[in-house]
Amino acid sequence: QKEVEQNSGPLSVPEGAIASLNCTYSDRGSQSFFWYRQYSGKSPELIMFIYSNGDKEDGRFTAQLNKASQYVSLLIRDSQPSDSATYLCAVNDYKLSFGAGTTVTVRA
Amino acid sequence: GAVVSQHPSWVICKSGTSVKIECRSLDFQATTMFWYRQFPKQSLMLMATSNEGSKATYEQGVEKDKFLINHASLTLSTLTVTSAHPEDSSFYICSARDQRAGTPNEKLFFGSGTQLSVL
Repeated sequence: QKEVEQNSGPLSVPEGAIASLNCTYSDRGSQSFFWYRQYSGKSPELIMFIYSNGDKEDGRFTAQLNKASQYVSLLIRDSQPSDSATYLCAVNDYKLSFGAGTTVTVRA
Repeated sequence: GAVVSQHPSWVICKSGTSVKIECRSLDFQATTMFWYRQFPKQSLMLMATSNEGSKATYEQGVEKDKFLINHASLTLSTLTVTSAHPEDSSFYICSARDQRAGTPNEKLFFGSGTQLSVL
């Protein structure tokens, strides 16, 4: 499987702050990139996907992709306690390869 | 949106027994389903790709005789953990691709997962 690397955290941010999550991948030919959120004991749910270099915004979430640096990030603005979860970066050319996930804790 | 149903949600079994996990696509047909395993505090690891009407494709290091996959219809794939042992205790998750969408990549839906505990 393709290698996908994430900082495992935990990342602790105060409520209302920006949480910044990073991910690097090994296969320069990868084309599709995903961020999933996973609550403990639950299956992942898709937050964002991005295909092109640059930023993509969806509500409080912004995904950033830099293919030259093989780097994809996720910003969570105005973090809420309900955002506390593990965030998985995934790379897909047909089947998903996941990073180990970054655990985020939002302090009220 | 499309729904993938996975059953059972959790199962406890004795060592040496076999356990079957079902994954159903409820409102779409899925020629391909994926089976993942996740150990505590680790990422999802792809075990195999289940193909309707043909043999599953297993990832390196996954024993095909131990993890039997059957994808006999366009809406159902099953994973059977044969002769389960405590080291097989894990969270198993299936996913299915909704090929009606046209753009396949993001239309991957996950089942709710099965927590297997082998005593």
